[in-house]
Amino acid sequence: DAGVIQSPRHEVTEMGQEVTLRCKPISGHDYLFWYRQTMMRGLELLIYFNNNVPIDDSGMPEDRFSAKMPNASFSTLKIQPSEPRDSAVYFCASSSWTGRNTEAFFGQGTRLTVV
Amino acid sequence: LAKTTQPISMDSYEGQEVNITCSHNNIATNDYITWYQQFPSQGPRFIIQGYKTKVTNEVASLFIPADRKSSTLSLPRVSLSDTAVYYCLVGGYNQGGKLIFGQGTELSVKP
Repeated sequence: DAGVIQSPRHEVTEMGQEVTLRCKPISGHDYLFWYRQTMMRGLELLIYFNNNVPIDDSGMPEDRFSAKMPNASFSTLKIQPSEPRDSAVYFCASSSWTGRNTEAFFGQGTRLTVV
Repeated sequence: LAKTTQPISMDSYEGQEVNITCSHNNIATNDYITWYQQFPSQGPRFIIQGYKTKVTNEVASLFIPADRKSSTLSLPRVSLSDTAVYYCLVGGYNQGGKLIFGQGTELSVKP
């Protein structure tokens, strides 16, 4: 497997524009996580899915953020409208639940810059 | 979720053994202890996981005392390439797969 694949790797957009980040999890994994990382706030869990169903979106900062997982092999994180404070690295991760604090595999991240 | 506390930063020199301790006083009976490593510009990577006593793999060792209120990640003979942020996570069945990262420990290895 190629691992978790995120696209794009880098995104520069203007304030007010819509941004869509994409993630392809590892085949067979039933959990998918979206994280945001900044120097100030560290690695924050935004939302996670189990079997394509959102389980906990309490980390989503505002209504401007939304995430979907239409099938087991694809997820999107959308920001509309984007703001400069959304600039961060966004990571997607997937895992296969075994009843333990499991091993998650992370993608390379999308570096988002909102100007 | 059990709260974890680890040093913000540590310095070491090449060839030394590095021990990073994580406190998790409120760990639950079903919780496991997991450590991740993150290099700059990369996502975190799983290193090691344990429940009690000692676990060793090709990368590190994890020491967990009997009361499980802390754990120590041991990196033998570190090199410059071990410079990274190391995260301690505690959780398991009760968290239903949820993974929460704390502030981590920034390890700097010097020549």
